[in-house]
Amino acid sequence: DGGITQSPKYLFRKEGQNVTLSCEQNLNHDAMYWYRQDPGQGLRLIYYSQIVNDFQKGDIAEGYSVSREKKESFPLTVTSAQKNPTAFYLCASSIGSGFSDEQYFGPGTRLTVT
Amino acid sequence: GDSVTQMEGPVTLSEEACLTINCTYTATGYPSLFWYVQYPGEGLQLLLKATKADDKGSNKGFEATYRKETTSFHLEKGSVQVSDSAVYFCALRYIYNQGGKLIFGQGTELSVKP
Repeated sequence: DGGITQSPKYLFRKEGQNVTLSCEQNLNHDAMYWYRQDPGQGLRLIYYSQIVNDFQKGDIAEGYSVSREKKESFPLTVTSAQKNPTAFYLCASSIGSGFSDEQYFGPGTRLTVT
Repeated sequence: GDSVTQMEGPVTLSEEACLTINCTYTATGYPSLFWYVQYPGEGLQLLLKATKADDKGSNKGFEATYRKETTSFHLEKGSVQVSDSAVYFCALRYIYNQGGKLIFGQGTELSVKP
């Protein structure tokens, strides 16, 4: 079955540590996205990539980094510079960046930093 | 800037009641509109979409019509079930906005009681 996988589902880290969240898709989609969700709020865009080896900052990129070395993979690193990293992180992909292209979401990773 | 506003939740209904979740948007261009649903602890699933004025999206008994004159995309269902309990997000997508990112409303939590 085609889809998006994110691992792990739950992640716990100590403050000051970097952590990398995995996102893999087998949908052959060109575009991939990382969103952050906080309780009672909509999703906000962290980073996006429209093609392999290229990515752009979203609305809240500070304290995060990404790479896109393979079409199917778009890992997100939450660095120690992120002031409030505890959140639910969602990865998405779409066949392209066209305005009617649907975005498909993974199951999410819940990160808790203490 | 572009934005989406949803009616406040939580919304509590009895089974078989009618549902309306209001959604209005502000956009400089001519976006596509989406409704996503999120079940507890999961990622988002596309529920329906509309790409031009007067389009009606429908799926699983849910409907929404793209009203350009009122900049609205209200979600409706004639008879809700307990299994419809979830958080519903209205979103717009505009190709000139950061790689076609989705702009989300804050979400409306729906709870359906037997």
